[in-house]
Amino acid sequence: KNQVEQSPQSLIILEGKNCTLQCNYTVSPFSNLRWYKQDTGRGPVSLTIMTFSENTKSNGRYTATLDADTKQSSLHITASQLSDSASYICVVTPAYGNNRLAFGKGNQVVVIP
Amino acid sequence: EPEVTQTPSHQVTQMGQEVILRCVPISNHLYFYWYRQILGQKVEFLVSFYNNEISEKSEIFDDQFSVERPDGSNFTLKIRSTKLEDSAMYFCASSVGQGGYEQYFGPGTRLTVT
Repeated sequence: KNQVEQSPQSLIILEGKNCTLQCNYTVSPFSNLRWYKQDTGRGPVSLTIMTFSENTKSNGRYTATLDADTKQSSLHITASQLSDSASYICVVTPAYGNNRLAFGKGNQVVVIP
Repeated sequence: EPEVTQTPSHQVTQMGQEVILRCVPISNHLYFYWYRQILGQKVEFLVSFYNNEISEKSEIFDDQFSVERPDGSNFTLKIRSTKLEDSAMYFCASSVGQGGYEQYFGPGTRLTVT
């Protein structure tokens, strides 16, 4: 079964600080790995996408890394802002079969002033 | 920028009633999806739809559920006889293609079954 596990489940950080979110997956082989940001009561919005051959991808203050050997990905948020308060979801697309997206449960980030 | 829209934003219904959740996917997209997210849990796949038929459905998508694209723009999810455990956020998504193509999510409909 394709699994995506994220840690920590939740964290609180001070505005301006950095944080790193972790994603471990068992999906193999996979087509791509995305990090989504989901604001409370809203739909997920894609932040980054990486294929198996990519190691890092940035989108402004968000930087995602991927280690396909250890099946781990991380999302680093630099100089956090209050608007970064959200759930960050790791989503893996299998390369074969039904291509059904495998979702993690999300990392709940709260940025406080 | 084009976006997926969903109506209503919040639907309250009594157990046993039928509900229809509506979605307008992005106009040039060909693949459509419904997902649900029970409070505090991960997003779960329900169904995918292409070329006017279901291409895949999950174990959750039982006979109580149906989808339809009644015209060229709307994509609907019908729950025939709602149960308390159907209470969740329901997200519609659409994409140009399958596999590596990004799925764009709508804002969701919060369904509350009392």
